[in-house]
Amino acid sequence: GAVVSQHPSWVICKSGTSVKIECRSLDFQATTMFWYRQFPKQSLMLMATSNEGSKATYEQGVEKDKFLINHASLTLSTLTVTSAHPEDSSFYICSASATGGSGYTFGSGTRLTVV
Amino acid sequence: QQPVQSPQAVILREGEDAVINCSSSKALYSVHWYRQKHGEAPVFLMILLKGGEQKGHEKISASFNEKKQQSSLYLTASQLSYSGTYFCGTDPGTASKLTFGTGTRLQVTL
Repeated sequence: GAVVSQHPSWVICKSGTSVKIECRSLDFQATTMFWYRQFPKQSLMLMATSNEGSKATYEQGVEKDKFLINHASLTLSTLTVTSAHPEDSSFYICSASATGGSGYTFGSGTRLTVV
Repeated sequence: QQPVQSPQAVILREGEDAVINCSSSKALYSVHWYRQKHGEAPVFLMILLKGGEQKGHEKISASFNEKKQQSSLYLTASQLSYSGTYFCGTDPGTASKLTFGTGTRLQVTL
């Protein structure tokens, strides 16, 4: 089945630094990837839609200058959290769909802790 | 607006049945169901497309009533491995992006 690899699994960073999270589709091409954020005991909230070769589309209330998304190839999308603050600590998950009409495959998630 | 799921939480004994409901305020093209274990990413269970279909996968099935903008997930003869949080994901068909429901925590005990 479709596999999405996400790295790192967890990261601890100091306040004010930047962190990059990578998502790769291993056995399919993903023209679109989605980035979600999930706080403890809450649902997944869509942050942005990443489109290969074009600018990402951000959901209302998500700062595009803080959460930089790059989708340079059909198999790789990256999310960079810039100038991270403790309130950015969360579980970040990417997802993509291998074919239209099927479910979305999620990466394993990245737990970000900003100290 | 986020789809509302009910119940918020349920505890079952192994072998019992459960129904999880998902209700949207928007017209839907499809509904997806996922199960998430603690600390892990969601795992796809099934997708239901516009047309009021019902699907099944072993002891887990689901229905989709597009007129009512609702979907239900049916878990029969629950197993310990069914424990986790269940999310519905709704797609109005405009951008193929999912909006996830509020979630239902399911715990199956011996």
